[in-house]
Amino acid sequence: QQPVQSPQAVILREGEDAVINCSSSKALYSVHWYRQKHGEAPVFLMILLKGGEQKGHEKISASFNEKKQQSSLYLTASQLSYSGTYFCGTADNGGSNYKLTFGKGTLLTVNP
Amino acid sequence: KAGVTQTPRYLIKTRGQQVTLSCSPISGHRSVSWYQQTPGQGLQFLFEYFSETQRNKGNFPGRFSGRQFSNSRSEMNVSTLELGDSALYLCASSYAGGAKNIQYFGAGTRLSVL
Repeated sequence: QQPVQSPQAVILREGEDAVINCSSSKALYSVHWYRQKHGEAPVFLMILLKGGEQKGHEKISASFNEKKQQSSLYLTASQLSYSGTYFCGTADNGGSNYKLTFGKGTLLTVNP
Repeated sequence: KAGVTQTPRYLIKTRGQQVTLSCSPISGHRSVSWYQQTPGQGLQFLFEYFSETQRNKGNFPGRFSGRQFSNSRSEMNVSTLELGDSALYLCASSYAGGAKNIQYFGAGTRLSVL
C-alpha cells in the first residue's frame, strides 16, 4: 500500500519552515526520504528505523512515530536549493523480502 | 567515487518493440533495484537484484524482466512495449540492499513509446 504524503504541494519564501508528512496504513520498519529536482536523480536525505536509529543529512531533521505509522520531515530556514519534490519510501519489514513503497511526492517551491 | 550510471538517458520506441536499459551501480554495491516513475503513480518498485539473483519483485507484468551480472551491473528489459510503459525508469544501488541501507539513484532513462 502506497504511503500518503501531505501536503501535495507547498510554496515558501526563503527562510520559512515547512513540514512534510508521510502516513502508512501498515506497520513500518523504516522510512526513507529523498528529494528530486526536475530532470535529476532522487537524492537521499534520511533513513529512520524502527527503534529510533537515524542516518542522514546533518541539516535535515525528521521524526518517526512507529505507533501512528507516520513520519515527518522538517525543513527549517528554507533555502532556494530546497526546492524540489520530496518522496518518502516505506518498508514494512527488515528482511530480505523487503521493498520500498514510495508516496506520490510533495512539491516544494522556495521563492526569494 | 562514481555514482550510479544509467544508459541510455533517452529512448524512443514504438508499440510492440522491446527495449533494454542498463544500470551500473556504485563500485562495491551488490544490490540494484529498478523503479518506474510516472506523474500519476509516482515511483513504483519493479524488482531488486542481489548477487545476480532476483530477490524481490513488484506488481508488474512478466513483460518486465531483468538480470544482474557478476560485476553487479544490471539490465532491465521490457518486451512488447505499450503506450503506458512511457515513463522514467530509475535504478538504485545499495551496498547490501535491505530496508536499513541507503539506496543511491541514477538519473534514469526516459522511455517514450509512440
